[in-house]
Amino acid sequence: DAGVTQSPTHLIKTRGQQVTLRCSPKSGHDTVSWYQQALGQGPQFIFQYYEEEERQRGNFPDRFSGHQFPNYSSELNVNALLLGDSALYLCASSLFGTIGELFFGEGSRLTVL
Amino acid sequence: EDQVTQSPEALRLQEGESSSLNCSYTVSGLRGLFWYRQDPGKGPEFLFTLYSAGEEKEKERLKATLTKKESFLHITAPKPEDSATYLCAVQYPGGADGLTFGKGTHLIIQP
Repeated sequence: DAGVTQSPTHLIKTRGQQVTLRCSPKSGHDTVSWYQQALGQGPQFIFQYYEEEERQRGNFPDRFSGHQFPNYSSELNVNALLLGDSALYLCASSLFGTIGELFFGEGSRLTVL
Repeated sequence: EDQVTQSPEALRLQEGESSSLNCSYTVSGLRGLFWYRQDPGKGPEFLFTLYSAGEEKEKERLKATLTKKESFLHITAPKPEDSATYLCAVQYPGGADGLTFGKGTHLIIQP
């Protein structure tokens, strides 16, 4: 049973560019959440997708956007990259309505130069 | 602002030396408190969910407890493979499903 898979694992961008990160949830899960984890910090909630809609959003600007597809997979898009966007981006999947038991992927490490 | 504070930031123990990690939160009432383990270069791995004061959960050498303002993760007779960053997270009332994480405690168990 495949767990949560994310791609790419590592990428380097320059300021002002745009990036798309991808996530496939654990089999049987229908909800995808995205988190940003800066070095030495805990993950910060970006947003959650269910039924192809953004259901909730954390304290992140509109430069961060996402999408969920009919097969439950998801994308995170970040426009106009800033140096401060350098972080590990984590995708977490769950069953809608379950509280807190998230299954995380290994993340996509983004470096902005 | 809702906050989750973990202490200590880092802890180094000898193999077999028991200790406790602390997680305190600022809001009264919460939907749940969660402990995760994160190994270097990996995503967090779910350990426990606690819902109400007085609740306890155990898994191997780990035991999590919850009071009205804080949670403890007790590690009994740890082994080197218990070395990791332990993250505490809460889900606050009001309908928000996103978790609020602390910064974590970096635990090193020396053989």
